[in-house]
Amino acid sequence: DQQVKQNSPSLSVQEGRISILNCDYTNSMFDYFLWYKKYPAEGPTFLISISSIKDKNEDGRFTVFLNKSAKHLSLHIVPSQPGDSAVYFCAAYNNDMRFGAGTRLTVKP
Amino acid sequence: DAGITQSPRHKVTETGTPVTLRCHQTENHRYMYWYRQDPGHGLRLIHYSYGVKDTDKGEVSDGYSVSRSKTEDFLLTLESATSSQTSVYFCAISPQGRSYGYTFGSGTRLTVV
Repeated sequence: DQQVKQNSPSLSVQEGRISILNCDYTNSMFDYFLWYKKYPAEGPTFLISISSIKDKNEDGRFTVFLNKSAKHLSLHIVPSQPGDSAVYFCAAYNNDMRFGAGTRLTVKP
Repeated sequence: DAGITQSPRHKVTETGTPVTLRCHQTENHRYMYWYRQDPGHGLRLIHYSYGVKDTDKGEVSDGYSVSRSKTEDFLLTLESATSSQTSVYFCAISPQGRSYGYTFGSGTRLTVV
């Protein structure tokens, strides 16, 4: 029962362009959504979050959009940099945190 | 992360043997979690703790037990390791357990042969 889904296992973009990572969820009780970034041999690190009462949250180059009616959120990275290359996990919180399977982003110089 | 350490970092064990993984924090956070990461599944919650001696099951708790006798330590035990428990295990901590971005350890790569 995967309540949080990231349907794209990988994404490749050119440096300077926009990266858009997508996430869908099924449980309407989730009230907080987060994105984590993970480099090899390290633990995930918190990137950005959004409350279910908002539809957008911005932090520097990172913006998260939430569409509650579609049960969809996305992470935009503008402009993308080679150092952004990592696995990105979408997560949703109700009584506990549920994670998606991750999307591997590769930013090419 | 400096506030949370996991040990060991790597372990190879045989099927049927007990294994204990340790998570140690210096942040005095109330909440601690154990996750496993597997390809195609992302991170799945095994067990969590909301205080000393207070623990509860996550979505994939079968075959695992936990203990928390001190605020700073959260132990994960595989009673009798199986090949399906080969995975990367992450510990996480949180000050309030709700909506906060968890802080994760660097992980323990466990291989059961």
